Amino acid sequence: AQSVTQLDSHVSVSEGTPVLLRCNYSSSYSPSLFWYVQHPNKGLQLLLKYTSAATLVKGINGFEAEFKKSETSFHLTKPSAHMSDAAEYFCVVTRMDSSYKLIFGSGTRLLVRP
Amino acid sequence: GAGVSQSPSNKVTEKGKDVELRCDPISGHTALYWYRQSLGQGLEFLIYFQGNSAPDKSGLPSDRFSAERTGGSVSTLTIQRTQQEDSAVYLCASSKGTRWGSTQETQYFGPGTRLLVL
Repeated sequence: AQSVTQLDSHVSVSEGTPVLLRCNYSSSYSPSLFWYVQHPNKGLQLLLKYTSAATLVKGINGFEAEFKKSETSFHLTKPSAHMSDAAEYFCVVTRMDSSYKLIFGSGTRLLVRP
Repeated sequence: GAGVSQSPSNKVTEKGKDVELRCDPISGHTALYWYRQSLGQGLEFLIYFQGNSAPDKSGLPSDRFSAERTGGSVSTLTIQRTQQEDSAVYLCASSKGTRWGSTQETQYFGPGTRLLVL
């Protein structure tokens, strides 16, 4: 079965420092992977997606993620955090037999300190 | 419309009452999805519509939950005889829709309906 594990429930960084949100996936096939962000009282927004093209995926707002098959990881990074990045981030994988069905990780809450 | 809209944004109901949650997808999107976000279970898939048909209802937690879609547009999620464990945020998403449900499509989410069952 496909699943994702987000290794940190909370991450705290200072504004202007790098962000690293960790995600490991489990899949018996080459998966499609996504990162979504959820700001308070707002809907989920797609940051980026990997669908077996380039392993380094660039997304919106300066975020990027690298698919590493050998490590079964899809970590999200950003060189310099901004206060507006404070939100909850979800790593997502799709099922092989029903690719429309998004399987969400438990989420990582990012806190950005001034 | 510009994005997926959901109504109401908040709903408080008493245990045992029925509730209806509405989703308006992005105009022209033929695929529509319902998800539930709760403290205990995280974000979980409920049901998928392609047009007015629901080929996958596997995520509906019980027969108290039902959903329909009319005119290939608006969808309603109905919860009958609500229980306290139904308290959650119910999210709707839509995508352009392909015959085979491609992961190349992006699902666009609405802001959700926060349901509280007292």
